[in-house]
Amino acid sequence: NAGVMQNPRHLVRRRGQEARLRCSPMKGHSHVYWYRQLPEEGLKFMVYLQKENIIDESGMPKERFSAEFPKEGPSILRIQQVVRGDSAAYFCASSPLPQGQGASPLHFGNGTRLTVT
Amino acid sequence: DAKTTQPPSMDCAEGRAANLPCNHSTISGNEYVYWYRQIHSQGPQYIIHGLKNNETNEMASLIITEDRKSSTLILPHATLRDTAVYYCIVRVARQETSGSRLTFGEGTQLTVNP
Repeated sequence: NAGVMQNPRHLVRRRGQEARLRCSPMKGHSHVYWYRQLPEEGLKFMVYLQKENIIDESGMPKERFSAEFPKEGPSILRIQQVVRGDSAAYFCASSPLPQGQGASPLHFGNGTRLTVT
Repeated sequence: DAKTTQPPSMDCAEGRAANLPCNHSTISGNEYVYWYRQIHSQGPQYIIHGLKNNETNEMASLIITEDRKSSTLILPHATLRDTAVYYCIVRVARQETSGSRLTFGEGTQLTVNP
């Protein structure tokens, strides 16, 4: 019963390059959330996606960041023209399609640590 | 989502029970209490959640006061591997525009000492 899988675990990019972070949700989960944790800071929500739809991107920086969750394959968080301030741990979480009004806990992956040099 | 207040840090001796408090005095009737923890360098780990009744699972127990304004997470026999930041989060089960999204605060750094 695999959990949320994120890859790569560590990613090093030079300033100006692109970073692609992948997230495969738990089996049966159709909702994906991305969070960012800057060094020595808390977890900040970025974006919430369902299959083929962005539902809430209120936490996403306006430029250079994008996310997708295609019908087939993992969710992708893409950062274009990375800068040093993008260095952080990026966590993905998934939840199942809600059943009635019950609570659906999020299940997190172990993150991708992006370092921009 | 209701605001929560947790102590910034706590210590516990290995083998003893760890009792982590959380105040959520503005909680609404349809808001759940969730507990997560984050062990250094790992992703947050779901522990337990509850609405009104006390809950227990293989990891912990959750005690919610009758007025629901506070709760306590109990780790019955803390081990060194329980050293982590523990987050208490209050929110409704699901919202159309935000799903099961959680807002993390500062949490409590629990240190289990040998």
